Amino acid sequence: KQEVTQIPAALSVPEGENLVLNCSFTDSAIYNLQWFRQDPGKGLTSLLLIQSSQREQTSGRLNASLDKSSGRSTLYIAASQPGDSATYLCAVQYYGNNRLAFGKGNQVVVIP
Amino acid sequence: DAGVIQSPRHEVTEMGQEVTLRCKPISGHDYLFWYRQTMMRGLELLIYFNNNVPIDDSGMPEDRFSAKMPNASFSTLKIQPSEPRDSAVYFCASRPYRGSHTEAFFGQGTRLTVV
Repeated sequence: KQEVTQIPAALSVPEGENLVLNCSFTDSAIYNLQWFRQDPGKGLTSLLLIQSSQREQTSGRLNASLDKSSGRSTLYIAASQPGDSATYLCAVQYYGNNRLAFGKGNQVVVIP
Repeated sequence: DAGVIQSPRHEVTEMGQEVTLRCKPISGHDYLFWYRQTMMRGLELLIYFNNNVPIDDSGMPEDRFSAKMPNASFSTLKIQPSEPRDSAVYFCASRPYRGSHTEAFFGQGTRLTVV
């Protein structure tokens, strides 16, 4: 079964600290992995897409890494700000499949 | 482009009533997905279309659920009859086909409450 796990479910960090969010997946036949942000009562906003052939992707303060052999992706957010408070979701697309398998997300609170 | 547009944003209905959720994907996108989000199960794919054709409906929970895509710019998800356990946020997403990796774009969702 293709499962995606995000632990912990919730975390709080003081403003200015770097955020590290982890995503684990059980099937190595990964095609790509996408990180999303979701604000309360809102839809999902795509942050980064990292292809299976890539080891990392960067966008501004965000950096996502991918390690297929260990079945893990990490999202780094540098110098966190209160505006980064949201739920971050990891989604995996596998080869031969157009669906995204989602983790349940990391709910992040950045404390001013 | 205005993004993926869903309507209504909120729907409250009584058990047994028919509910229709609507979605307008981003123009030019080839894939359209319907997802459901609950606290217990997270985001689950219900069905997806490629060029208006349903490809995988294995996530549709019961025969009470049906989805259509009559043209490239419109899709509906219908629940008939609705039940309290259908209460969730329903998201529509679209994605282009570019021969390789492309991002999925989500609508704002429809929060459905069945009482």
